[in-house]
Amino acid sequence: NAGVTQTPKFRVLKTGQSMTLLCAQDMNHEYMYWYRQDPGMGLRLIHYSVGEGTTAKGEVPDGYNVSRLKKQNFLLGLESAAPSQTSVYFCASSYLGLASGDTQYFGPGTRLTVL
Amino acid sequence: AQKITQTQPGMFVQEKEAVTLDCTYDTSDQSYGLFWYKQPSSGEMIFLIYQGSYDEQNATEGRYSLNFQKARKSANLVISASQLGDSAMYFCAMREGPGRDDKIIFGKGTRLHILP
Repeated sequence: NAGVTQTPKFRVLKTGQSMTLLCAQDMNHEYMYWYRQDPGMGLRLIHYSVGEGTTAKGEVPDGYNVSRLKKQNFLLGLESAAPSQTSVYFCASSYLGLASGDTQYFGPGTRLTVL
Repeated sequence: AQKITQTQPGMFVQEKEAVTLDCTYDTSDQSYGLFWYKQPSSGEMIFLIYQGSYDEQNATEGRYSLNFQKARKSANLVISASQLGDSAMYFCAMREGPGRDDKIIFGKGTRLHILP
């Protein structure tokens, strides 16, 4: 099992450009999450999904969109990147979800810089 | 008000000693869950332990235990017999409310340094 993978690992964008981050998991997990981590901070939840075809907003959803067309993939899109979106982005997945206290498995992260 | 407060930005502990990392939380919900995660310098996030608000026993996972004091709204992580590999950032986090709403709030973390 590859676990949770994220593509790309690093990316530099110019202000106003768009991009999509891909998260893939091979554990048949229902729940998937996108977080961002800024220097000196804990993770902040951007969006999450409780199953294929569903998405929901987290703590900091503005400027991001997500899609979960296939159970194994969760895409995070930036339509018009801003310097404030410079961050490390983590994807995670879970079988039973946080309400059950189930383990979250994290990807290695994507370091995004917006100039 | 902050939902999760970790008051120790950094700690230095001698190897083999026990460590307590503090976490206090703020919620008006009856149903909630508390999590601890470890982030080594390599950057990955590792789930350590979970405590549900209705769990009567303190959670334990190997050398990790969660000292849950509901009335004081604290959920401290205890690491027994610390090892050099325990050096990392540690984050406390909380999920509020019943149902499938899976939002989670993280604290700012505590950086733990284990000294040889």
